[in-house]
Amino acid sequence: AQTVTQSQPEMSVQEAETVTLSCTYDTSESDYYLFWYKQPPSRQMILVIRQEAYKQQNATENRFSVNFQKAAKSFSLKISDSQLGDAAMYFCAYRSTYSGGGADGLTFGKGTHLIIQP
Amino acid sequence: SQTIHQWPATLVQPVGSPLSLECTVEGTSNPNLYWYRQAAGRGLQLLFYSVGIGQISSEVPQNLSASRPQDRQFILSSKKLLLSDSGFYLCAWSSGWEPQHFGDGTRLSIL
Repeated sequence: AQTVTQSQPEMSVQEAETVTLSCTYDTSESDYYLFWYKQPPSRQMILVIRQEAYKQQNATENRFSVNFQKAAKSFSLKISDSQLGDAAMYFCAYRSTYSGGGADGLTFGKGTHLIIQP
Repeated sequence: SQTIHQWPATLVQPVGSPLSLECTVEGTSNPNLYWYRQAAGRGLQLLFYSVGIGQISSEVPQNLSASRPQDRQFILSSKKLLLSDSGFYLCAWSSGWEPQHFGDGTRLSIL
């Protein structure tokens, strides 16, 4: 079974600065998907960014980018120019391709609470 | 566009009572559907997923069950709730290899 580990329970960053959230995972599969989800106090789960394991290029979405190191099984999220609205729980998630068709559920890490200091 | 509805938003139930949480998706057909539970201060744990009507896969043995009576309807049930069933329950849907999209969740408190 796959596992996802987020070693930082909480991170704090000054507004407008850059912060990196860490995520490592364990799998024996070669093809899979990785995601970062954001959960603000409203508790809605919002997709931030995704990465296909077969793609070497790191995914980028505006101020959000990832550093995907497949051999090291590492998938960190970098948030540039942090804004107050970025304050939330951030979850790293893994999706297998084993069952085919994309039906596999997500395996989540325990999350990192990101605090933005004004 | 696709939307997902989940209700109720909040529920307080006594131990031993039954449970029924409902989730519906609009704007798509034959979605993959999922139920997750988030315990306090924890990540999400996959409970059930479904790839079609009447097709349910269980990931965690427990006193909960799921059903999919219609293509875009997913129901989470229990005959007798336990204290340990308290938590935040999220329904999600996906299509093919696209990412999962989540509902707003149900906060379940067991007294």
